[in-house]
Amino acid sequence: KQEVTQIPAALSVPEGENLVLNCSFTDSAIYNLQWFRQDPGKGLTSLLLIQSSQREQTSGRLNASLDKSSGRSTLYIAASQPGDSATYLCAVDQAGTALIFGKGTTLSVSS
Amino acid sequence: EAQVTQNPRYLITVTGKKLTVTCSQNMNHEYMSWYRQDPGLGLRQIYYSMNVEVTDKGDVPEGYKVSRKEKRNFPLILESPSPNQTSLYFCASSFRTGTTGELFFGEGSRLTVL
Repeated sequence: KQEVTQIPAALSVPEGENLVLNCSFTDSAIYNLQWFRQDPGKGLTSLLLIQSSQREQTSGRLNASLDKSSGRSTLYIAASQPGDSATYLCAVDQAGTALIFGKGTTLSVSS
Repeated sequence: EAQVTQNPRYLITVTGKKLTVTCSQNMNHEYMSWYRQDPGLGLRQIYYSMNVEVTDKGDVPEGYKVSRKEKRNFPLILESPSPNQTSLYFCASSFRTGTTGELFFGEGSRLTVL
């Protein structure tokens, strides 16, 4: 059964720092991997989607990479800002019917 | 504005009193799904629908029902709610079938069953 793990569970950084969030999954047979952001009391917002044939995707200060063979993805956030404070969730689409989510990394960026 | 709308956003009810959480999307998406989010357990899929009149169980379907009579609507029905169904519920939709594609989520419905 597919399992998705995110490390660390929580991260605190000062404003301006570049940071990396990690995601690992146990079964490399995936259709795609998605990164989401969740603010307290809110729904999830899709940040980046990487298809299984792709190696990375970029959006603004965010860059996500995918290494299917090793079962790893990273989300790189450049020049972090207090507004980036949120929980970041990684999810894999394995069967085309559901996303399997990690438990998330809660990021706090202090000014 | 493209969105997934859930109602109610907050609900406190009692054991055994039937309730329905509505979900509607305005993006003409074929795929819709319900998740529940619990501390320490993360997000788990309850049911999903690949298209009108096509629904199937996710990982935690016990105690829930769904229907997909129209493309835009995918209500979640709790016939006899129990305290272990106290949770934060999310509806989500996606354009692509075959794979889930980019998933759009509603704002969530926080349900408390006493």
